[in-house]
Amino acid sequence: DQQVKQNSPSLSVQEGRISILNCDYTNSMFDYFLWYKKYPAEGPTFLISISSIKDKNEDGRFTVFLNKSAKHLSLHIVPSQPGDSAVYFCAANTLTGYSTLTFGKGTMLLVSP
Amino acid sequence: ETGVTQTPRHLVMGMTNKKSLKCEQHLGHNAMYWYKQSAKKPLELMFVYNFKEQTENNSVPSRFSPECPNSSHLFLHLHTLQPEDSALYLCASSQAGGGAYEQYFGPGTRLTVT
Repeated sequence: DQQVKQNSPSLSVQEGRISILNCDYTNSMFDYFLWYKKYPAEGPTFLISISSIKDKNEDGRFTVFLNKSAKHLSLHIVPSQPGDSAVYFCAANTLTGYSTLTFGKGTMLLVSP
Repeated sequence: ETGVTQTPRHLVMGMTNKKSLKCEQHLGHNAMYWYKQSAKKPLELMFVYNFKEQTENNSVPSRFSPECPNSSHLFLHLHTLQPEDSALYLCASSQAGGGAYEQYFGPGTRLTVT
């Protein structure tokens, strides 16, 4: 059973518009969430994170929102740029113990000019 | 070299071969990880090492054998693999301890078992 779910395998957005990538989780023990971005032939690169004591974290064009009661988080990219085209992975962890991330399957974002 | 490096980048091996994947991190981290990424599946955690000690083995078949001689190097020894083991194998590192540390990934080794 997948504990971290990204139900949209792909998303297409026009340049300049907002991209919204969604992620749901089932394990209520998760309290730290991360988004990774992956280009073809490269490993995932860390993008932004949020701990469960917050409901929003912003870094430039990227904002992550967390709704703990709904066990849902989302990544907003605004404005979207063609260079943002990549696969985005949502990951979750607990803040205690060793760091072991549980990943979703990823959403492929395509930003067209 | 900076970050996390992996060699080789591509590997084709027969089911009776023995090969090893190598990972090296230059970030001063104390935790290292092996992940497997198969098509249309989430990244699957295979092994975790903290301060050179294996702290997690995620029910990985014994034909995969990890080795962590020091905090900067991690190996994955492969023997008698099956075609379904063909995948992208990713190494990552992070600070050890609690989970508020992001993991840094290498570029991966694309493995094909024939």
